[in-house]
Amino acid sequence: DQQVKQNSPSLSVQEGRISILNCDYTNSMFDYFLWYKKYPAEGPTFLISISSIKDKNEDGRFTVFLNKSAKHLSLHIVPSQPGDSAVYFCAASDPLYNTDKLIFGTGTRLQVFP
Amino acid sequence: GAGVSQSPSNKVTEKGKDVELRCDPISGHTALYWYRQSLGQGLEFLIYFQGNSAPDKSGLPSDRFSAERTGGSVSTLTIQRTQQEDSAVYLCASGPGAGSPLHFGNGTRLTVT
Repeated sequence: DQQVKQNSPSLSVQEGRISILNCDYTNSMFDYFLWYKKYPAEGPTFLISISSIKDKNEDGRFTVFLNKSAKHLSLHIVPSQPGDSAVYFCAASDPLYNTDKLIFGTGTRLQVFP
Repeated sequence: GAGVSQSPSNKVTEKGKDVELRCDPISGHTALYWYRQSLGQGLEFLIYFQGNSAPDKSGLPSDRFSAERTGGSVSTLTIQRTQQEDSAVYLCASGPGAGSPLHFGNGTRLTVT
């Protein structure tokens, strides 16, 4: 049972345009969401997070939006750069269980082309 | 070192052999996790250590898998009688506590032939 879903396995965007990566979850008790970025042969690195008490969090070119009623979050990257090409994982945690234990989605491979 | 260190970076083993994977977390981090990523899959939770508490082993796929964390620091993931389906990248992560993002190592790529 996949509690965190990333239905788009890949996304291709032109440099300078906006990249939008989507994530859906099924557990309404999730209250903390994170995005990780992964380059080949490296471990995932933390990118940005959002608490369920917010609906938006922005850090430079990266913005995460949370729609709790739809159980949906998205990561916007604008403007996209070739160095953003990587696999992006959405993750969520359940405070009733363990605020550190993260449930990950299957990832979306972003390719930014010139 | 400044980050989470895992060794070996690559391991090729024959089916039926035992393997040990090592993780050195960031100094001072009380939480330590093992995840694995099979080809085309997401990150699958395996086991979690937090301080002196009993580990959360709920993600271990079979009794061939075990892990320990000595002295609250270094952790070893052991896979006995390896099978081909165990082939994956095994990732270790550590964290300073609740609410803080995890820091991952670069992983150990295990190939069972």
